[in-house]
Amino acid sequence: AQTVTQSQPEMSVQEAETVTLSCTYDTSESDYYLFWYKQPPSRQMILVIRQEAYKQQNATENRFSVNFQKAAKSFSLKISDSQLGDAAMYFCAYRSDNTGTASKLTFGTGTRLQVTL
Amino acid sequence: DGGITQSPKYLFRKEGQNVTLSCEQNLNHDAMYWYRQDPGQGLRLIYYSQIVNDFQKGDIAEGYSVSREKKESFPLTVTSAQKNPTAFYLCASSRQGVGAKNIQYFGAGTRLSVL
Repeated sequence: AQTVTQSQPEMSVQEAETVTLSCTYDTSESDYYLFWYKQPPSRQMILVIRQEAYKQQNATENRFSVNFQKAAKSFSLKISDSQLGDAAMYFCAYRSDNTGTASKLTFGTGTRLQVTL
Repeated sequence: DGGITQSPKYLFRKEGQNVTLSCEQNLNHDAMYWYRQDPGQGLRLIYYSQIVNDFQKGDIAEGYSVSREKKESFPLTVTSAQKNPTAFYLCASSRQGVGAKNIQYFGAGTRLSVL
């Protein structure tokens, strides 16, 4: 079974600075997808960024980028030019590409990000 | 607007009572999911459905039941057999097949508490 580990329960960053959230995962599969979701105080889960394991290039979405290290099974999220609206819980998630296991996501326990002035 | 609607936002359950959480989507997605979120934990999968009239148990299905009679609806019933139902419940949906990008979209959630 796959597992996802987020070892930082809380992180803090000053506005306009850069912060990196860590995520490691364990899997024996070679094809899979990784995601970062954001959960603001409203508690709605919002997709931040997505990475396909077969792609070596790291995904980027505006101020958000990932550092995907497949051999190390590491998938960290970098937030540049942090804004107050970035304050939220961030969840790392794994999805197998094996159609036999459907499309279910395996989540980490989350990192709470605080953004200070 | 397209999206996923969960209702009610807050729900209270008495001892021995079954309650049903609603999830409706107008995204024309084939697959739908139910997750449970407890404090300090990530989301855990309860049930999922890839097509109408078919569903599978997730990691924590005991004490829950679902139905998928329509493509756009996937209600979750929390039965009296679920001894610790207090949690935040999230419904999600996704497209299936080639080009689907494997992205799950979430509703705003239902907070269930025991009276």
